[in-house]
Amino acid sequence: AQSVTQLDSQVPVFEEAPVELRCNYSSSVSVYLFWYVQYPNQGLQLLLKYLSGSTLVKGINGFEAEFNKSQTSFHLRKPSVHISDTAEYFCAVSDPVEVQGAQKLVFGQGTRLTINP
Amino acid sequence: NAGVTQTPKFQVLKTGQSMTLQCAQDMNHEYMSWYRQDPGMGLRLIHYSVGAGITDQGEVPNGYNVSRSTTEDFPLRLLSAAPSQTSVYFCASSYRGLRGEEQYFGPGTRLTVT
Repeated sequence: AQSVTQLDSQVPVFEEAPVELRCNYSSSVSVYLFWYVQYPNQGLQLLLKYLSGSTLVKGINGFEAEFNKSQTSFHLRKPSVHISDTAEYFCAVSDPVEVQGAQKLVFGQGTRLTINP
Repeated sequence: NAGVTQTPKFQVLKTGQSMTLQCAQDMNHEYMSWYRQDPGMGLRLIHYSVGAGITDQGEVPNGYNVSRSTTEDFPLRLLSAAPSQTSVYFCASSYRGLRGEEQYFGPGTRLTVT
């Protein structure tokens, strides 16, 4: 079965500093990869996704992620963070086995990003 | 569009009580799903539905029932609540549930079972 590991449960960063949130997944089979963000007391919303093509994916709010097949990683980066980026970030992989044509997302444990002034 | 809505936002139950968590979407999405979110464990899939009248189990289905009588609604029922079901529950939907589609999440229901 697929698994996703987010290597850091919490990441504190100063405002305007760069940040990288790490994500590794278990399967080397063709996968689709996602990053979702959860702001305090809200549901999850999609930041970006990788389906195919360029390994560097750009998302909303200045975030980007790089797909590395050989290292089975999909790390999320932002060159300069803002207070408003304080949130929990989830990496997810779409299980390649579909049942009744439906995708199943497998989520990582989440990384809480805290931006300090 | 309201997107995905969930009620209630908060609920406290005693062990053994039953209740239904409501989920509705107004985007005409075929695919709907329920997740639970626990600290340090991310989100885990409970049940999902690929259309009205069709449901299936996810990773952690025990203790939960679902049905899908309309495209818009996908309620989650706890028949006999247990403390292990204390969690935050999220409903999500996507257009057809195909691989690679974005899922849209509701704001969540925070459930405490004492």
